[in-house]
Amino acid sequence: NAGVTQTPKFRVLKTGQSMTLLCAQDMNHEYMYWYRQDPGMGLRLIHYSVGEGTTAKGEVPDGYNVSRLKKQNFLLGLESAAPSQTSVYFCASSAANEKLFFGSGTQLSVL
Amino acid sequence: RKEVEQDPGPFNVPEGATVAFNCTYSNSASQSFFWYRQDCRKEPKLLMSVYSSGNEDGRFTAQLNRASQYISLLIRDSKLSDSATYLCVVTFSGAGSYQLTFGKGTKLSVIP
Repeated sequence: NAGVTQTPKFRVLKTGQSMTLLCAQDMNHEYMYWYRQDPGMGLRLIHYSVGEGTTAKGEVPDGYNVSRLKKQNFLLGLESAAPSQTSVYFCASSAANEKLFFGSGTQLSVL
Repeated sequence: RKEVEQDPGPFNVPEGATVAFNCTYSNSASQSFFWYRQDCRKEPKLLMSVYSSGNEDGRFTAQLNRASQYISLLIRDSKLSDSATYLCVVTFSGAGSYQLTFGKGTKLSVIP
């Protein structure tokens, strides 16, 4: 029962470096999401996808890109990391209008 | 009016108390509603779905009021382990659009 798996769990980057976060789900969900959460703040939607090959911008998309080449995977890319992108990142998946299942999160620090 | 609004708290209650949270939403056509619980620095976990007829799971009761556009969560006999942030989620889909919105959460601290 893997559910939603995020990798890596922790990462430290220098300003300007790039990286990709991977989210994988084994529940055949159509919808996938990337959120960020800063200390003491609520979840903010970065990008989401309603199906393979489709992506859409959320509340805070700037500085991030995503791809959904396969239904089970949703990748979040940072092309040139900035200290403002230090955060905890959560991936989630769901069927339409159904409950979300979350990954365990990625703690990213950008120095 | 914000799409989904919650009182941020914190709610500080003694063990054994009953506490209730509300979550208001602005889209009258919203379709699905959920309560999640989030512990510090952990992923949100589903507490319960909210059905039109209301539903109960042990010490937890969720209600939906479509006329007034809010959902509620009631926790009876609070335990120390109930201390967490409670998030409401509202979804809508139709006419080619899909929206899933989290509230910012209500923090609960249960005190010995």
